[in-house]
Amino acid sequence: KQEVTQIPAALSVPEGENLVLNCSFTDSAIYNLQWFRQDPGKGLTSLLLIQSSQREQTSGRLNASLDKSSGRSTLYIAASQPGDSATYLCAVTDTDKLIFGTGTRLQVFP
Amino acid sequence: DARVTQTPRHKVTEMGQEVTMRCQPILGHNTVFWYRQTMMQGLELLAYFRNRAPLDDSGMPKDRFSAEMPDATLATLKIQPSEPRDSAVYFCASGLVRDGVPSTDTQYFGPGTRLTVL
Repeated sequence: KQEVTQIPAALSVPEGENLVLNCSFTDSAIYNLQWFRQDPGKGLTSLLLIQSSQREQTSGRLNASLDKSSGRSTLYIAASQPGDSATYLCAVTDTDKLIFGTGTRLQVFP
Repeated sequence: DARVTQTPRHKVTEMGQEVTMRCQPILGHNTVFWYRQTMMQGLELLAYFRNRAPLDDSGMPKDRFSAEMPDATLATLKIQPSEPRDSAVYFCASGLVRDGVPSTDTQYFGPGTRLTVL
């Protein structure tokens, strides 16, 4: 059974820092991996999707990498801003279902 | 701007009452998912449909939960009778799957229904 874990569970940093959020999964047979952002009381917004054949994806200040063989993905946030404060969730696609990690709650203070 | 819509956004009810949540998937998407989010369990998949047919509802308590797709534009999740432990945020998402392979497009999530059962 696929299990997805995220470390750390919470992170509080000053504005401007570069951040790394970690995601690990137990079964490397995945179609893709996604990183989502969730703001308090809101739904999920997809940030990046990495196909299983890809190693990384970039969008603005965000960069996500994927190492299927080791069952790991990282989300790199450059020059963090207070507006980045949210919960970040990674999810792997197992056939056509998303299996979510536990999330990392990020707070960026001015 | 296509999006998934859910109604109601908030629901407060008493234990034992029936609750119905509705979802309108993005037009053209053939797969609809129901998730539940709690502080303790995180996001869990309850059930999902492909071309309106249920594919997997193993995450759903069968004795009280039921999910249907009366037509391609409407998915419903019903709880009867509701219990306090059902209090959670329920998300609907839709996506496109072709030939059993997920589209390169992502799943799109609705804003959720926050359910409180007293």
